[in-house]
Amino acid sequence: AQSVAQPEDQVNVAEGNPLTVKCTYSVSGNPYLFWYVQYPNRGLQFLLKYITGDNLVKGSYGFEAEFNKSQTSFHLKKPSALVSDSALYFCAVRAADVASFGAGTTVTVRA
Amino acid sequence: EAGVTQSPTHLIKTRGQQATLRCSPISGHTSVYWYQQALGLGLQFLLWYDEGEERNRGNFPPRFSGRQFPNYSSELNVNALELEDSALYLCASSLAQGHTDTQYFGPGTRLTVL
Repeated sequence: AQSVAQPEDQVNVAEGNPLTVKCTYSVSGNPYLFWYVQYPNRGLQFLLKYITGDNLVKGSYGFEAEFNKSQTSFHLKKPSALVSDSALYFCAVRAADVASFGAGTTVTVRA
Repeated sequence: EAGVTQSPTHLIKTRGQQATLRCSPISGHTSVYWYQQALGLGLQFLLWYDEGEERNRGNFPPRFSGRQFPNYSSELNVNALELEDSALYLCASSLAQGHTDTQYFGPGTRLTVL
């Protein structure tokens, strides 16, 4: 079985401050990890993924994520948040036939 | 390159009716996935099709069914609609059925059951 946990329902940061969205996972076998973002009334947009190799993965819109095998985490980060980053963020893991998604974290960046 | 498209955008039905939702994958993608996104529940996996075959289904009753056509487009059917079926239904496609392949999502169909 595989599962993903996003421990924070909401994250609030000021514009210009660092943004971190947390994700932990549980799988048997090698994990393939993904981050998506969802804007209101829109589908999910792919941000980045970790398959293998460098633990720091760079993605779209200035986001990056760090894979930590010992802590089974894949936290999403952005050094300087923008108001336009306000959205719903999903972490997903795929180690079997289908992907499992976290419940989502709502990010609000205040001006 | 056109993304994943879904139709209709919105669908309003009454309890007991049937709903049909449609999805066209990105050109060249053979795998199609369906998810239900109910308010506050995140994404719940419904069905996965690849090369016209159902490869896996999530923990949903049999009244949720679908199919994939020779052109890889897909249809999700929900029979005997219940109020709790109201949700955003998302379709995603990927290049192949590998575990590393990225799923690309459509904008969704908002189903409302009255």
